[in-house]
Amino acid sequence: DAGVTQSPTHLIKTRGQQVTLRCSPKSGHDTVSWYQQALGQGPQFIFQYYEEEERQRGNFPDRFSGHQFPNYSSELNVNALLLGDSALYLCASSFAKGYTFGSGTRLTVV
Amino acid sequence: GENVEQHPSTLSVQEGDSAVIKCTYSDSASNYFPWYKQELGKRPQLIIDIRSNVGEKKDQRIAVTLNKTAKHFSLHITETQPEDSAVYFCAASRGGSQGNLIFGKGTKLSVKP
Repeated sequence: DAGVTQSPTHLIKTRGQQVTLRCSPKSGHDTVSWYQQALGQGPQFIFQYYEEEERQRGNFPDRFSGHQFPNYSSELNVNALLLGDSALYLCASSFAKGYTFGSGTRLTVV
Repeated sequence: GENVEQHPSTLSVQEGDSAVIKCTYSDSASNYFPWYKQELGKRPQLIIDIRSNVGEKKDQRIAVTLNKTAKHFSLHITETQPEDSAVYFCAASRGGSQGNLIFGKGTKLSVKP
């Protein structure tokens, strides 16, 4: 049973650049949420996608955007990267019974 | 907005002892409270959850209690083992198991052999 898969696992970007992170949800899961986890902190909710629409959004600027595809996979896009965007980005999928998290993408902005 | 406070931030116990981690939440509409275990460099894994219509839930050595009046919930691990060492996060959601989760800052649990 494939769990939540994220790509890439690690990424280094320069300030001002744009990045796209990808997530394939667990089989049968139709809801995808994205979280940002800074070092030593709990994950912070970015947004949630369901039926290809952004259903909920956390307190993140418009530089953070996303998309969900008909096969439920999802992308997280971050524009105009800042040093403070360096973090582990976690994708989580769910279907009625709570979230399953992926292993994350470690983004380093230099 | 919702705020979740978690304590202690670090906890060290001897193998075989019990460990208790406590969380408080601010949003009285919260109705779902999961606990996640995150080992170093790995993804958070759901270990137990509780809904607002239940006061206690157990799964082998792990239990969670919820006090809605006081707006706090706790994780209890009995007969701790070295493999229980990890960072534990509590979370709260007002949208059930598919709502957005508000996490605490985590508790680093160390179980000494």
